[in-house]
Amino acid sequence: DAKTTQPPSMDCAEGRAANLPCNHSTISGNEYVYWYRQIHSQGPQYIIHGLKNNETNEMASLIITEDRKSSTLILPHATLRDTAVYYCIVRVGGSNYKLTFGKGTLLTVNP
Amino acid sequence: DTGVSQDPRHKITKRGQNVTFRCDPISEHNRLYWYRQTLGQGPEFLTYFQNEAQLEKSRLLSDRFSAERPKGSFSTLEIQRTEQGDSAMYLCASSLGAVSSYEQYFGPGTRLTVT
Repeated sequence: DAKTTQPPSMDCAEGRAANLPCNHSTISGNEYVYWYRQIHSQGPQYIIHGLKNNETNEMASLIITEDRKSSTLILPHATLRDTAVYYCIVRVGGSNYKLTFGKGTLLTVNP
Repeated sequence: DTGVSQDPRHKITKRGQNVTFRCDPISEHNRLYWYRQTLGQGPEFLTYFQNEAQLEKSRLLSDRFSAERPKGSFSTLEIQRTEQGDSAMYLCASSLGAVSSYEQYFGPGTRLTVT
């Protein structure tokens, strides 16, 4: 699985959009980008995934660059409850095997 | 609540004792995973079951660790002769076996403290 690079921490004001970047320059053609988050003292929670097209669901949007070497997770209107560690993971899709987590980005949403 | 439950939520034990954790996955999920998370780190994969078959084990899973999923439903993770380095959060996750299923559902974890 390709390695990812994320900033260790970010701040965002409540109600504003949070844009979390991820670099995955060694991604292969059959690898998907997944995002999970972990709120303090809870297990990780799936957010969204994509291959090469931009994706949106009720939680977030995922923007993947055309060369697929980086992506951005967008939380359109961050709330205090979005304060969490966000993990960007690159993995072959459909296999449903293990997830390889890095250290992620601690997003702090401030009132 | 994701539907994955773990028991106990917290366990304090003395070095050298054996401990066992239980995970109950979402009932229709045939895949079950164990991860370990230490402070400040992301979760690390330990092992994975498809139904009752243990298909992959990490090198992190030393001989003191054993996991079972006897009837393809709940799973147990046992640590024998615990060491202080075993102190961590132990997370269980489950997923459907379908090719179209991408999401793993995590339980709340069992926090182990070895004194």
